[in-house]
Formats: sequence, structure tokens, C-alpha cells
Amino acid sequence: SYVLTQPPSVSVAPGQTARLTCGGNTIGSKRVHWYRQKSGQAPVLVVYDDRARPSWTPERFSGSNSGNTATLIISGVEAGDEADYYCQVWDSSSDHVVFGGGTRLTVL
Amino acid sequence: EVQLVESGGGLVQPGGSLRLSCVGSGFTFNAYQLNWVRQAPGKGLEWISYIGRRDETIFYADSVKGRFTISRDDAKKSLYLQMNGLSGEDTAVYYCARDRGSDDPGSSNYWGQGTLVTVSS
Repeated sequence: SYVLTQPPSVSVAPGQTARLTCGGNTIGSKRVHWYRQKSGQAPVLVVYDDRARPSWTPERFSGSNSGNTATLIISGVEAGDEADYYCQVWDSSSDHVVFGGGTRLTVL
Repeated sequence: EVQLVESGGGLVQPGGSLRLSCVGSGFTFNAYQLNWVRQAPGKGLEWISYIGRRDETIFYADSVKGRFTISRDDAKKSLYLQMNGLSGEDTAVYYCARDRGSDDPGSSNYWGQGTLVTVSS
């Protein structure tokens, strides 16, 4: 089955740029979606189709996807961005939706 | 306002069954694909099932296939998950999630608040 690999944790100082990676075999050929989940809350879609933003997502959030790595980029990180972030794809080979293991973003 | 409200969680003994429900409002229910996603305590998100519009497509994760059944009743604007043969590994918060409406499953832009299922004797 298809596997998505995310680093368990990323730390960044306020105002800096956070880059959260999601690795998968030829992930560049898939559409990647990203979710933010704050403690005790339901997940929220923050980026879909690699780089598109829902209306509620600030422009500080962007995405890229190429080769074997997709990346969620958060510019000007704020304390409120501290959360767990999950990448997700649809794997048509197995007819499965797949989540990465998640990355905890800590704002120093 | 789009809302999804899950219910039906609770404490169940190993080997038992439970039926979860999710009621949608604020959108045309029959126009969207729906998913169940769960999260075990302290763990990440795990997709478990998907149902397309008008039941035309249903998928399951390997971990629940043959034990869980997803269904929908568009007249009642409701999504269901029938869970049989439960074990401790099924203990989790269960979320229903509505897809954006794209061709492929995933990219769920609305989620319920979840319902907790605890499997224990």
C-alpha cells in the first residue's frame, strides 16, 4: 500500500518560514492535500490539490509538489499556527485514501 | 453554514457492534462524497471508508474491510457506519468528513467534531 512519510516534528521561530515535507513514491503525480489539527479539535483543510487554498486559509500558506516530495510552506509563522499537520492523497492503485503520520509544528 | 454532527459513539465490549450516524446540514447532501476517518488516542488520522454520491462507489481501509459497512440515506441527510467485530484497536474518535466534490476521494473541506468509540471489557 502507498505510504506517506512526514517528519514527526518541526520547530520554527515566530516570523520565520516553516517547510513541512511529505514524502511518497512519485507523489508528484498525485494531488496532495494538507490538514491542520489543533489540540482537541477536528482537522481543517488548509491546502488542496498541491497548492490551492480554501477561502479560510491565509495566503501565508502555500504548497508545492514534485518528484517524491510535497511541501507545505507557512510563511511568517505565528503562534496560532502551532498544530499537527497531515498530508493526504488518493491512491488509485489501492483505492485507498492515505494520510501521512503527521508533523507537529512547534512555534518557539 | 455547513455542519456535520456525529452520534452513536460509546463504550462497547470486544466483539460487539456499534452504529455511528452523521447528520449533515447547510448543503445539498446528495451532491457530495463522504468519508469516515478515525483517530486513536494520541495517534494520527486514519481514513477508514468512503462513499460516493448515490452509493455508486464504496471503499474501505484494509483494517476495517469485512467488519465495517458504510451507507448513506440522502433523504435523511445522514451517513452511517455499522461496526461489527470490534476490538481495542478500534478505540478512537470517529469523524465524518465531506469531500469538496472533486473527482477523487479525499480533500475533505468539512468535518464533524467526532464521536468517541471505546472498546473495552
